[in-house]
Amino acid sequence: GQNIDQPTEMTATEGAIVQINCTYQTSGFNGLFWYQQHAGEAPTFLSYNVLDGLEEKGRFSSFLSRSKGYSYLLLKELQMKDSASYLCATSDSNYQLIWGAGTKLIIKP
Amino acid sequence: IAGITQAPTSQILAAGRRMTLRCTQDMRHNAMYWYRQDLGLGLRLIHYSNTAGTTGKGEVPDGYSVSRANTDDFPLTLASAVPSQTSVYFCASSDSMGSSNEQFFGPGTRLTVL
Repeated sequence: GQNIDQPTEMTATEGAIVQINCTYQTSGFNGLFWYQQHAGEAPTFLSYNVLDGLEEKGRFSSFLSRSKGYSYLLLKELQMKDSASYLCATSDSNYQLIWGAGTKLIIKP
Repeated sequence: IAGITQAPTSQILAAGRRMTLRCTQDMRHNAMYWYRQDLGLGLRLIHYSNTAGTTGKGEVPDGYSVSRANTDDFPLTLASAVPSQTSVYFCASSDSMGSSNEQFFGPGTRLTVL
């Protein structure tokens, strides 16, 4: 079967660092995506990992371990505008995306 | 047009009625997708199209149909709407259905079926 798990909700403080985890079990694997979705808006692309390791892009970094079926999104120097849902998705053997339910991140001042 | 657009923004529909959700992109992307997003669930793929003239079924295709007559447009039709089709519908596109191709999303259509 195919399954993606991520925490439903997380709370963090402005200026701090937060790590959002994602574990997956999918039939076939062609990479993992992270998207950001503000309330009432469309998802927007953040990162893509297909090889093990850390990809850094400004304040956001994404890590992948294929052997463990595990990824995380690391957000540094949190800003109020980072309050959003973060969606983890894997690309399966047919290049279709399988999506987690998303993690709602609440930033407090 | 810049990117991907959807219409209508929102709609309230009586059960049993037919409804077409419109999606247009101006990025000349080959692949297009329709998803539904429900509270507590991840985005679920309804139908997709690899290129103009071809379509495929996703995870939850029942009750929906699509067509891809040209590169830009990918309408989604509900032949006879039911309350369980109440959802937010997102159209997306990507350069192709390859592994690293990010998908660009439209603003969504909020559909309520009564």
